[in-house]
Amino acid sequence: DQQVKQNSPSLSVQEGRISILNCDYTNSMFDYFLWYKKYPAEGPTFLISISSIKDKNEDGRFTVFLNKSAKHLSLHIVPSQPGDSAVYFCAASEIQGAQKLVFGQGTRLTINP
Amino acid sequence: DVKVTQSSRYLVKRTGEKVFLECVQDMDHENMFWYRQDPGLGLRLIYFSYDVKMKEKGDIPEGYSVSREKKERFSLILESASTNQTSMYLCASSLVGQVLGGYTFGSGTRLTVV
Repeated sequence: DQQVKQNSPSLSVQEGRISILNCDYTNSMFDYFLWYKKYPAEGPTFLISISSIKDKNEDGRFTVFLNKSAKHLSLHIVPSQPGDSAVYFCAASEIQGAQKLVFGQGTRLTINP
Repeated sequence: DVKVTQSSRYLVKRTGEKVFLECVQDMDHENMFWYRQDPGLGLRLIYFSYDVKMKEKGDIPEGYSVSREKKERFSLILESASTNQTSMYLCASSLVGQVLGGYTFGSGTRLTVV
């Protein structure tokens, strides 16, 4: 039972354009949502997060949007750069308990020059 | 620079062997986690610990156990390795109540069971 789903295994975007990565979740108890970036042979690195009381959070080129009614979040990267090529994971957590993260399957983003 | 260190980057073990994966963090974090990453499945939680000598099962604990004798160290044990445990294993740590700041992950251990 996949509580967090990333339905696009891969995405290819031209350098300078906007990259949009999508994520859906099923558990309405999730309160926190995060995006991680992972390069090959490295651990995931934290990118940006949002709590359920907000619908948008921005950090430089990265913006995360949350639509609670649709149980959907997205990550926008603009402008996309070659160094953004990586696997991106979305993750979610409840505010109660151990606050463990549930991850999606990941989307491989390739930025083409 | 804060760190989560996993003792091995690559391991090759034989079926039936007992395997120890070690993880050490230097950030005085209370929470520590073990995930495995497999293509198409993302990261799945095996076990986590929120204090010394405390442990809880994650989503896929079968075939694994853990040990946390000291705050900075969290070990994952494969009691009898099997080929379906071939995977990338990732250790992470976090402060209690700091979910929005994210976990800090180690670089991972690529385990191959032959």
